[in-house]
Amino acid sequence: NAGVTQTPKFQVLKTGQSMTLQCAQDMNHNSMYWYRQDPGMGLRLIYYSASEGTTDKGEVPNGYNVSRLNKREFSLRLESAAPSQTSVYFCASSDRTGAGSYEQYFGPGTRLTVT
Amino acid sequence: GEDVEQSLFLSVREGDSSVINCTYTDSSSTYLYWYKQEPGAGLQLLTYIFSNMDMKQDQRLTVLLNKKDKHLSLRIADTQTGDSAIYFCAESIGLRNTDKLIFGTGTRLQVFP
Repeated sequence: NAGVTQTPKFQVLKTGQSMTLQCAQDMNHNSMYWYRQDPGMGLRLIYYSASEGTTDKGEVPNGYNVSRLNKREFSLRLESAAPSQTSVYFCASSDRTGAGSYEQYFGPGTRLTVT
Repeated sequence: GEDVEQSLFLSVREGDSSVINCTYTDSSSTYLYWYKQEPGAGLQLLTYIFSNMDMKQDQRLTVLLNKKDKHLSLRIADTQTGDSAIYFCAESIGLRNTDKLIFGTGTRLQVFP
């Protein structure tokens, strides 16, 4: 039971290059999320998927696209990377508990640098 | 708007108690969470509290919630060097078929011997 996995762990891109960050969960969760973490700013939600087949924008969606490939996998794509997208990216998943909460479980992160 | 604030740093001696404070703005938040992040790692869920509770204890962790003042705190008893990390509080905002979390900026806890 690996929980939430992310690939790659590190990536360096040149401005204008594209790439896809991969995320998979093995907890059979319905909801998945992509966040970015910048120094002194906490985590900000980029996109989320409440269930397979649906995606919605979070607080900072500009410059990103997502795909909920199936229930397990949720990918984040940067079509034309910019230095402002240098950040640590976290994927998370959750499901409704018996108590009614949605406890989110996080992957280890992808550290992306855009030069 | 939705906003969560925390102090940036806390330094405590090993064996003492640590208290990390947080304020939030959305009074409709149903759950409030505490996460721990160690260097180079993802966020680990520590505990959470339902908004109709005012206290929750879980081993060395005690969460206090003052809903009137929208103030949340995390007390760590007998703080150890392994507790050194960044601690995030987060409020949940209900969405259609899921929740989203609004995170504070994190409090860096440093434990010295």
